[in-house]
Amino acid sequence: NAGVTQTPKFQVLKTGQSMTLQCAQDMNHEYMSWYRQDPGMGLRLIHYSVGAGITDQGEVPNGYNVSRSTTEDFPLRLLSAAPSQTSVYFCASSLLGDPGDTQYFGPGTRLTVL
Amino acid sequence: AQSVAQPEDQVNVAEGNPLTVKCTYSVSGNPYLFWYVQYPNRGLQFLLKYITGDNLVKGSYGFEAEFNKSQTSFHLKKPSALVSDSALYFCAVRGYILTGGGNKLTFGTGTQLKVEL
Repeated sequence: NAGVTQTPKFQVLKTGQSMTLQCAQDMNHEYMSWYRQDPGMGLRLIHYSVGAGITDQGEVPNGYNVSRSTTEDFPLRLLSAAPSQTSVYFCASSLLGDPGDTQYFGPGTRLTVL
Repeated sequence: AQSVAQPEDQVNVAEGNPLTVKCTYSVSGNPYLFWYVQYPNRGLQFLLKYITGDNLVKGSYGFEAEFNKSQTSFHLKKPSALVSDSALYFCAVRGYILTGGGNKLTFGTGTQLKVEL
C-alpha cells in the first residue's frame, strides 16, 4: 500500500510551457484534491474530484485543469505556466461521505517557473 | 464560509518543556478539526482529529489537542517537547454540512515550531 504518490518531485519550467503533475492513490478513495502551498498562505485548494468523471474548482483554479478518468489517478495540468505558479503542489485523497474522514497527502511536487 | 486562524507564525520552546500551538476556527454547524505536521521537504502527515465526544484528543508522537467549543479553539499540545518535533504544523477544519464540495478542508497558515536544546 503506497498511499498517495506524486511525480515528479521537482520541476523547472519556462514561462508558457505546459506540463502535467501526476497523482495516484491505491486506497480506493473517492475524493481527491490538489493544493498549492505558498509561504505564509497555508494550503489553498485548486481543484477536487468526488469520483471518476466528476471534478470541480477550488479557491484558486485559474491556470490549472484536471480530469479524473479512474478512481486511482488525478492529474493536474498547467496549460501555459506563469511565474505566479511557482509553488509546492500537494495531492490528497480521502473517503467521501463522512466529514470526519482523514485526508492523506502525497509528498509534493516543487515547481519553479522561470 | 469556514476559516482557521493560527495566530503565531512561530513558537519556540526548550526541549523537555510543554508546548502549545494555537488554533481557532469558524464554521457552520459542528466542526471537524484536524492537525497535520510537515517536516522539511516532506508532505503533510496526519496527527490527530476531533470528530465528537471527549474534548481531549490523543494522536501520534505524544501529541494531543483540546477542543473548546465556547472558545472555538483546538490547541495542539505536548507535555514534553523534543528537538525532533521541530516542524511546521497546520490546523484544518471541515464543517458538518457537506456541500457539493465534498470533503473540502480549510487550512490555517501554519505555525513553525522550533524546539531547542
